[in-house]
Amino acid sequence: GAVVSQHPSRVICKSGTSVKIECRSLDFQATTMFWYRQFPKKSLMLMATSNEGSKATYEQGVEKDKFLINHASLTLSTLTVTSAHPEDSSFYICSARDQRATNEKLFFGSGTQLSVL
Amino acid sequence: QKEVEQDPGPLSVPEGAIVSLNCTYSNSAFQYFMWYRQYSRKGPELLMYTYSSGNKEDGRFTAQVDKSSKYISLFIRDSQPSDSATYLCAMSVTGANSKLTFGKGITLSVRP
Repeated sequence: GAVVSQHPSRVICKSGTSVKIECRSLDFQATTMFWYRQFPKKSLMLMATSNEGSKATYEQGVEKDKFLINHASLTLSTLTVTSAHPEDSSFYICSARDQRATNEKLFFGSGTQLSVL
Repeated sequence: QKEVEQDPGPLSVPEGAIVSLNCTYSNSAFQYFMWYRQYSRKGPELLMYTYSSGNKEDGRFTAQVDKSSKYISLFIRDSQPSDSATYLCAMSVTGANSKLTFGKGITLSVRP
């Protein structure tokens, strides 16, 4: 089946630094990718929809200047957490849609655990 | 009221038991209903996908959707220790590969 690679799987950073998370579709092209955030024992919360070649669409309450999303190619989307703070510590997960498929499932990455000290 | 409510759990059952997991929702526009399995610190994996009301069976798993009651269920027959994971329901208005709204998830433990 299709594979979505997410990197890094875990990152620890100091407060005030920026962290970039990559999401790659390995064997399919993804015009649309989604970025989720998950707190312990909580649901996945959609942060933004990333569209190749255009600006991301952010969900209400998500700061677009804080969480920069770039979808420069059909196989890569990146999420950059800028000036990270401890409250940004969370599990971030991306998912991608195969542009050739209609109404097929999303493929999820394995997630990135971000810990901000 | 949250858009999607899921039984909080956790749930612990003996091996071989039948497991019933449930979600309710408030948005009548949801048409696509999914169940995902998530192991600790991993991305979700799609188990079942149903469009509109009805039942769908896949091996030991059966998904039921009752749109009139805004209620969906996942049944696991002959549960195995390997089924131990967190199960999340998810719903979408426009498609299984579109914006999803997830339930909180329930952690299932199957005891050998």
